[in-house]
Amino acid sequence: QKEVEQNSGPLSVPEGAIASLNCTYSDRVSQSFFWYRQYSGKSPELIMSIYSNGDKEDGRFTAQLNKASQYVSLLIRDSQPSDSATYLCAVTDTGNQFYFGTGTSLTVIP
Amino acid sequence: DTGVSQDPRHKITKRGQNVTFRCDPISEHNRLYWYRQTLGQGPEFLTYFQNEAQLEKSRLLSNRFSAERPKGSFSTLEIQRTEQGDSAMYLCASSPSGFWVGYTFGSGTRLTVV
Repeated sequence: QKEVEQNSGPLSVPEGAIASLNCTYSDRVSQSFFWYRQYSGKSPELIMSIYSNGDKEDGRFTAQLNKASQYVSLLIRDSQPSDSATYLCAVTDTGNQFYFGTGTSLTVIP
Repeated sequence: DTGVSQDPRHKITKRGQNVTFRCDPISEHNRLYWYRQTLGQGPEFLTYFQNEAQLEKSRLLSNRFSAERPKGSFSTLEIQRTEQGDSAMYLCASSPSGFWVGYTFGSGTRLTVV
């Protein structure tokens, strides 16, 4: 059974701060890694993907991957109240199914 | 084509009734997925189609659940003899071929079994 672990939170940060979200996974053959944002009552929205060790930046978001430690993280710089949501980590090996964590709830305090 | 479309958005049904949900994927996406999400949990895989072929189905999926994707276009998910434990958000997603891309999810169908 492939497992994806996330701290459920809630994580609270002040507006303008950096929010750091973490995820660990159990299956070493996992190839692709994703972060989804989910607002309450809405469906998940893809915000970042990462496939190679290291950092990948997209605007205020940076994804970090360390396959040796089986760890992937998401940094949100200059956090805004609109970033308040649940962040889901997902991993896959073949792409035929994704394995999701339970999500981390983030609240950005104005 | 503005995204993945799911219908209905909400469904309330009595225990024991059958329900059917529809998903229209992004037209150029040949992969289609169904997931189920309950409160406080991440989405849980149900099944996967590539074109019209159902290539994977969760071992956790009861035989009361069936999915089809005729002609490789829209898909339906049917739940027979619904139970209260089936209450959840049912999410459809699609993607083009290539495991390196993420899914685009539809808005979901929220099922409540009373």
